[in-house]
Amino acid sequence: DARVTQTPRHKVTEMGQEVTMRCQPILGHNTVFWYRQTMMQGLELLAYFRNRAPLDDSGMPKDRFSAEMPDATLATLKIQPSEPRDSAVYFCASGLVLGGVLNTEAFFGQGTRLTVV
Amino acid sequence: AQSVAQPEDQVNVAEGNPLTVKCTYSVSGNPYLFWYVQYPNRGLQFLLKYITGDNLVKGSYGFEAEFNKSQTSFHLKKPSALVSDSALYFCAVRDLDTGRRALTFGSGTRLQVQP
Repeated sequence: DARVTQTPRHKVTEMGQEVTMRCQPILGHNTVFWYRQTMMQGLELLAYFRNRAPLDDSGMPKDRFSAEMPDATLATLKIQPSEPRDSAVYFCASGLVLGGVLNTEAFFGQGTRLTVV
Repeated sequence: AQSVAQPEDQVNVAEGNPLTVKCTYSVSGNPYLFWYVQYPNRGLQFLLKYITGDNLVKGSYGFEAEFNKSQTSFHLKKPSALVSDSALYFCAVRDLDTGRRALTFGSGTRLQVQP
C-alpha cells in the first residue's frame, strides 16, 4: 500500500531550537510538496520540488526555513531557529507530473504536528 | 493567480439527506479541480478530481462533484449523507496554463452530519 510517510508525527520543542521534519514520498513520484496547516491561515504551500529540484519556495520564510531533497526518497523541512508562531501541522505530499501535467492527485502524509513553546 | 473560495465554514445536514459543499475557483487558464477530505488528526485524503470531460465527476465514498465553467464552480455533492461523512472538506485548484504546478486550497468546510 503506497503512502507518503512523515516523521515525526508529533514534535514539541523550545523556542530557538532546530526542528527537522522528514518525508518519504511515494516511490516513483517526482514531485513533492510541503504545506503548513493552521487554524488561522488554513493550508499554505511552503515549497515544492520536481525531480529533487526546488521549483517554488516563495511561501517559505527564507530566514529560518529550508527545504531540501537529498535524494529521491527523502525530503526534509528544517526550521532554525524555531519560534512559537511556527506551531502548526506540516504536511508533505507527493505526486507524478509528466509533461507539466499533474497526472495523479497529490497524496498526503499524515503530517507532523509541531508545537514550539 | 489561482484561488479557491469555500463560502461556508460549516455545513450541517441530517443523516440520509442530500448534502452540498460549495466551491468556486479563479484561474486564468484551464482549471484542474480537486476535492480532499480530512478526518481528525489525519492527512488529506483524495476524493475526486476534474481534469477534462464529463462535467459530473464521481469519486470515493459516494461523493460526486459538478464542474460548471460559466459559474466557475465545483460543488461537492452526495445524495444521502452518513454520520461518518462528518469531516473537513477542502476544494483545490491548479492552473495548468500559468505554470504554477502546486495546488491552491480553499479554507475548508466542516461538514457535520447529525444522526
